[in-house]
Amino acid sequence: GESVGLHLPTLSVQEGDNSIINCAYSNSASDYFIWYKQESGKGPQFIIDIRSNMDKRQGQRVTVLLNKTVKHLSLQIAATQPGDSAVYFCAENNAGNMLTFGGGTRLMVKP
Amino acid sequence: NAGVTQTPKFQVLKTGQSMTLQCAQDMNHEYMSWYRQDPGMGLRLIHYSVGAGITDQGEVPNGYNVSRSTTEDFPLRLLSAAPSQTSVYFCASSYAGTGNVAFFGQGTRLTVV
Repeated sequence: GESVGLHLPTLSVQEGDNSIINCAYSNSASDYFIWYKQESGKGPQFIIDIRSNMDKRQGQRVTVLLNKTVKHLSLQIAATQPGDSAVYFCAENNAGNMLTFGGGTRLMVKP
Repeated sequence: NAGVTQTPKFQVLKTGQSMTLQCAQDMNHEYMSWYRQDPGMGLRLIHYSVGAGITDQGEVPNGYNVSRSTTEDFPLRLLSAAPSQTSVYFCASSYAGTGNVAFFGQGTRLTVV
């Protein structure tokens, strides 16, 4: 079936650098995408979302980019901090009621 | 505001035992759902509910039952626990019509021996 996936299982960055986490999706009918952050021992936490009629959306230190042509989603974190260390999931809503999650990318921030 | 509350946080079961994972939300959300998360994998949908009295199957429903008698509560029942059900379980809730940003509980870590 159609699914959401991620290119890199682990991303290691230096503190202060920018991080880019990527996600590929295959369902062209998906109209809404969300990035979640999951810290160890906790439930996923909403970071930022984007609708399919947008290409870019910015939050505080985070930016989500959507490229519908190649069905690609990315999360950019500026000036990565140790507190950003976590697993990041993308999720899609393909016009249904529930979300389909990707496999997750672990972000490790080196001091 | 407690958000989504799951109990228990940890549980060990013997194969064949049954139990209920509790989930409650105080945000008056219509949608509630249960996911399981296995090591190195994303979240997989078990069951979901779009309102009181309405439930439906997700991606991996076998071995689990749910009911939704109130808006606030959405318990997940394991009928006869199997080692394959060892996992971390997350309950989530969301508003209807917002694109379904889900708010998650802290999870229940279940081990079946």
